[in-house]
Amino acid sequence: DGGITQSPKYLFRKEGQNVTLSCEQNLNHDAMYWYRQDPGQGLRLIYYSQIVNDFQKGDIAEGYSVSREKKESFPLTVTSAQKNPTAFYLCASSMGAGGIYEQYFGPGTRLTVT
Amino acid sequence: AQRVTQPEKLLSVFKGAPVELKCNYSYSGSPELFWYVQYSRQRLQLLLRHISRESIKGFTADLNKGETSFHLKKPFAQEEDSAMYYCALGGYNFNKFYFGSGTKLNVKP
Repeated sequence: DGGITQSPKYLFRKEGQNVTLSCEQNLNHDAMYWYRQDPGQGLRLIYYSQIVNDFQKGDIAEGYSVSREKKESFPLTVTSAQKNPTAFYLCASSMGAGGIYEQYFGPGTRLTVT
Repeated sequence: AQRVTQPEKLLSVFKGAPVELKCNYSYSGSPELFWYVQYSRQRLQLLLRHISRESIKGFTADLNKGETSFHLKKPFAQEEDSAMYYCALGGYNFNKFYFGSGTKLNVKP
């Protein structure tokens, strides 16, 4: 599988701690996305970035932060302000910004906060 | 506002039976519709998009602008089709996609 990687696969944190999820791609894609996947709720967009050094809030950005300092990398920080952080997080990338390009997804990170 | 509705959370069919996963969307412009699939322990991946008009793994989907639907169909379901299916709405004027809540397809032997 290559292309887009996420690490770690499983992550455990105590409540009140910030945690950063890694997402790297070697597809030379301009756009990158972070989704949260919960049972019965589908994919909900957290943040997206169309180009380096720029990003926009998605539908559920509260309690999360991102950076896009390099084209290949789009880390997501889950802060202590996120009220229900336990979830499966998916990163994706696409060749260009906008809703016409296929999205390539990573394997996901399952975060458990207790 | 743009929205994608997949009314069935779970769809169970027997092997060899026809299957139809429903997807309805809300968008007044020219939509780009996609179906993504997530098999057990595999990544979410593109199954097909309406503009390509392809049949992938026996699945087809026709965009019906009058009914604002993009239902996914297969005449004879196979056990390996069991997976989570997501319908997604995009478009040339969009910065992102709108995903439905997903339908879990269970094909019984």
